[in-house]
Amino acid sequence: DADVTQTPRNRITKTGKRIMLECSQTKGHDRMYWYRQDPGLGLRLIYYSFDVKDINKGEISDGYSVSRQAQAKFSLSLESAIPNQTALYFCATSEGQAGGAFFGQGTRLTVV
Amino acid sequence: GNSVTQMEGPVTLSEEAFLTINCTYTATGYPSLFWYVQYPGEGLQLLLKATKADDKGSNKGFEATYRKETTSFHLEKGSVQVSDSAVYFCALHYNQGGKLIFGQGTELSVKP
Repeated sequence: DADVTQTPRNRITKTGKRIMLECSQTKGHDRMYWYRQDPGLGLRLIYYSFDVKDINKGEISDGYSVSRQAQAKFSLSLESAIPNQTALYFCATSEGQAGGAFFGQGTRLTVV
Repeated sequence: GNSVTQMEGPVTLSEEAFLTINCTYTATGYPSLFWYVQYPGEGLQLLLKATKADDKGSNKGFEATYRKETTSFHLEKGSVQVSDSAVYFCALHYNQGGKLIFGQGTELSVKP
């Protein structure tokens, strides 16, 4: 089984719909991250969390919200999806500065 | 603020050619530095890392040295293979603040 699991892997949704992307990890790491990847823009940080009670905005948090339900689970929600949120979304975990991050396989989201 | 800048791609090389992908960073403290690789259709994988100045990270024939004086962490490989075709991301990670910041990625294509 993968250390970091994202569901769904692919999703097509309509403008205005609410959608949740889920992430779970078996690494035992406290730090979890949500990124979106767009061609030519690299990975941009949406939200990150150091533990269940510590949630922080990244550089592009507008239009997104998150929930850290447990150490192992970190969900990303789009309250009202819009077409420019079409992207590849990645969840990642980290144990700290020196250890690097572990990524899920990604969720390809298309908003039509 | 903290940021990472990579050379633009795509980079196209013949098999067995020498590879350099430039990466420079802007930081106010002492981050750890990383290279990640993303193969088509997959998430990011940690390729190598360096946690302090003058450290050299290495893995699978790839190397990068943490150069504080030039704020650089260039990725090199002496002889690339077709299987090295992927997108490469440079990243930095601070403990303070906890952000993991990525460059925009450099696509490498190796031809037989």
